[in-house]
Amino acid sequence: QKEVEQDPGPLSVPEGAIVSLNCTYSNSAFQYFMWYRQYSRKGPELLMYTYSSGNKEDGRFTAQVDKSSKYISLFIRDSQPSDSATYLCAMSLMDSNYQLIWGAGTKLIIKP
Amino acid sequence: SAVISQKPSRDICQRGTSLTIQCQVDSQVTMMFWYRQQPGQSLTLIATANQGSEATYESGFVIDKFPISRPNLTFSTLTVSNMSPEDSSIYLCSVALKAVDTQYFGPGTRLTVL
Repeated sequence: QKEVEQDPGPLSVPEGAIVSLNCTYSNSAFQYFMWYRQYSRKGPELLMYTYSSGNKEDGRFTAQVDKSSKYISLFIRDSQPSDSATYLCAMSLMDSNYQLIWGAGTKLIIKP
Repeated sequence: SAVISQKPSRDICQRGTSLTIQCQVDSQVTMMFWYRQQPGQSLTLIATANQGSEATYESGFVIDKFPISRPNLTFSTLTVSNMSPEDSSIYLCSVALKAVDTQYFGPGTRLTVL
């Protein structure tokens, strides 16, 4: 079993829909949780960063961490075709020397 | 955040040759990392580039194949040696900033080996 599980998709939704992307993990010691967005032929771009549990909102994006269920989510409201990309979750331990454990990435397609 | 550049952005190389990829950051950073990303796959960490000492390699990656240098706090190189078609991949440099426990990525180098 992988430490971080993420459905690779693709996930196809119509423009304007609310998108929910998810990752589950097995190590309860993870403390830092990140979402990266990667456009085709580009490097990953840090989208959201959360420490421990709770929600964090940034514009149309909301990151949610549920440590009791070992489950993290990224919600995208009012999705746009420009949101079409691969979304990777990553997480790390406290004092891990910045080492990240990655999900497989979910390919998201927003249809106009 | 940090601004990270990589050179070259892409290259097509012949089997058996070597390619050196450069990573430059616009500020001094705590840690620098090198990743490989094969088509349609997630990221695989190759090594942590340590300033002033040998890089720390992950399981499955060796210094003879992927020698790494980090002469200062803003620059690192990764060499892919004696290349084969299996080395065709995107190679990514990332950095960690002291204030934030996460990594920022460069644009990547797309390598094709014929």
